[in-house]
Amino acid sequence: GQNIDQPTEMTATEGAIVQINCTYQTSGFNGLFWYQQHAGEAPTFLSYNVLDGLEEKGRFSSFLSRSKGYSYLLLKELQMKDSASYLCAPHGGATNKLIFGTGTLLAVQP
Amino acid sequence: DTEVTQTPKHLVMGMTNKKSLKCEQHMGHRAMYWYKQKAKKPPELMFVYSYEKLSINESVPSRFSPECPNSSLLNLHLHALQPEDSALYLCASSQDWGQPNQPQHFGDGTRLSIL
Repeated sequence: GQNIDQPTEMTATEGAIVQINCTYQTSGFNGLFWYQQHAGEAPTFLSYNVLDGLEEKGRFSSFLSRSKGYSYLLLKELQMKDSASYLCAPHGGATNKLIFGTGTLLAVQP
Repeated sequence: DTEVTQTPKHLVMGMTNKKSLKCEQHMGHRAMYWYKQKAKKPPELMFVYSYEKLSINESVPSRFSPECPNSSLLNLHLHALQPEDSALYLCASSQDWGQPNQPQHFGDGTRLSIL
């Protein structure tokens, strides 16, 4: 079966750092994506991990541990525009589908 | 702005109407997808087209009928929908289907309301 777990909501302060965790159990695994979705808008691709370790892209970093079924998204120097839902999405399984977690709604406060 | 264009942005229809949602991409992607997203929920996969052929149908009711006229276009024909079908319908594309390192690019969606 498939199970993806991430916190429903988080709050952080502008300029701070926030870490959004994701644990997953999938019947097959080829990699993990993180997407950002602002209310009423399209999900936009943030990062992709296939090997264990940290991938850094500017203010955003993503970490993966395949053996633990665990990933996190790290957002640095938070800005108000970072207020959005962050979706953890493992890729794989018998049909190579992208399976989205329920998303973490991040609120950045002044 | 996204590179995947969906029309219309909003659609209100009655349960007896027939309408179509349209999606277009010019990135040369060979895989296209339809997702359904309810409020405060993640996108749920409906259909996958690869090289203009239907590859996945996630047991979607027949009142939703996808069509891929060419490699750049994807339609979703709607007929006799139910109120619970009201949702945001997202189209996405990727370079190929099933390749793990290729992200899907999403359109802004069509917000559908069934009266």
